[in-house]
Amino acid sequence: EVQLVESGGGLVQPGGSLRLSCAASGFTFSSYWMSWVRQAPGKGLEWVANIKQDGSEKYYVDSVKGRFTISRDNAKNSLYLQMNSLRAEDTAVYYCARGLTFGGVIVIGAFDIWGQGTMVTVSS
Amino acid sequence: DIQMTQSPSSLSASVGDRVTITCQASQDISNYLNWYQQKPGKAPKLLIYDASNLETGVPSRFSGSGSGTDFTFTISSLQPEDIATYYCQQYDNLFTFGQGTRLEIK
Repeated sequence: EVQLVESGGGLVQPGGSLRLSCAASGFTFSSYWMSWVRQAPGKGLEWVANIKQDGSEKYYVDSVKGRFTISRDNAKNSLYLQMNSLRAEDTAVYYCARGLTFGGVIVIGAFDIWGQGTMVTVSS
Repeated sequence: DIQMTQSPSSLSASVGDRVTITCQASQDISNYLNWYQQKPGKAPKLLIYDASNLETGVPSRFSGSGSGTDFTFTISSLQPEDIATYYCQQYDNLFTFGQGTRLEIK
């Protein structure tokens, strides 16, 4: 079964740090772009960051640049999001999501597999 | 940054109705537009990619159309299990989601 399972969420004080993990199974993880997408309570979806198959390219939404770092370990089939200098507005459910790809070559900027999400709460 | 504007923000319809949601991009995004369904407490689910392509396993009552700046998402005959919030998402320049359309049963 194709699956993504996030972990690492929790309560953290403003200015603190947290590292999220996403464990992939059921597919060849190293063949896919991967992303983090978040959703603040009662709000819509916001893409946060993505990373190329080999980790050579990374992109971020402006609001997290310089504070968040996306990374991956293909040997461990895992995706990570290191979050530093956390703010109240970072409070959200964080989802990892797989990039839609056909034949390992054609990449569509859509997210076809999602994890269940992990909640991050930034509060004093 | 590309802004995505969905309308309406909420919608009430009856089972069997034809439902239409629109999404407008702040600039030309060709057909780089996807649609998702999100049920309460669940992760989003991809329904339509590249404006009009139905994702594998998605019922054919769902469809999408449009290009450039104006896009439409349609449910041809609303079913009770379609109650959810629907989002459009562009990928012409990074990724941006619309604000969502909450669909309820009348």
